[in-house]
Amino acid sequence: GENVEQHPSTLSVQEGDSAVIKCTYSDSASNYFPWYKQELGKRPQLIIDIRSNVGEKKDQRIAVTLNKTAKHFSLHITETQPEDSAVYFCAASTTGGFKTIFGAGTRLFVKA
Amino acid sequence: GAGVSQSPSNKVTEKGKDVELRCDPISGHTALYWYRQSLGQGLEFLIYFQGNSAPDKSGLPSDRFSAERTGGSVSTLTIQRTQQEDSAVYLCASSSVAGGQGLGSFFGPGTRLTVL
Repeated sequence: GENVEQHPSTLSVQEGDSAVIKCTYSDSASNYFPWYKQELGKRPQLIIDIRSNVGEKKDQRIAVTLNKTAKHFSLHITETQPEDSAVYFCAASTTGGFKTIFGAGTRLFVKA
Repeated sequence: GAGVSQSPSNKVTEKGKDVELRCDPISGHTALYWYRQSLGQGLEFLIYFQGNSAPDKSGLPSDRFSAERTGGSVSTLTIQRTQQEDSAVYLCASSSVAGGQGLGSFFGPGTRLTVL
């Protein structure tokens, strides 16, 4: 079945630096790739997404890139701030059944 | 409705008792998911409902767990004969489909289950 691998599991950066989280997926039919942020004690929330017909998407300090050939996609956070500290989950949605598969999550620490 | 709602927000039960957790998805969302999240861990997929299709139960950890979705809307997750290892936050999420593609999921606030 579909599998999504996410790396790293933990990432620590200095405030102002960039953070990159990478994911790979197994089902070449996947066509929708959302990213979620989960702050401590709260529910996951969708922060950005990308579709398979697009290679890159930006929203202020966050951007996602997609490489369909290599079946991997990445989240880039620039000028990190302490409030970016959270767990980030990538996900992939297949065309068959539209089921969303989540990665294991990346715990991001931004040190002030 | 504003978003996905879940009840109860907290549930404390004794080992061996049955519990029912409820999820009200966003109106019109065809997809509904149940996940389990232990402290500091990721999202453990439990079950997936999509429209009128047979649910994907591949994530249910044992036959003590079951879920149903009535009328394509409200869902109930039932855990029978609860065990201490069932203690976790149970999250529900719903999403829609458009243009032949799935859309992002909206999560409920979760039910924190504690089995004593």
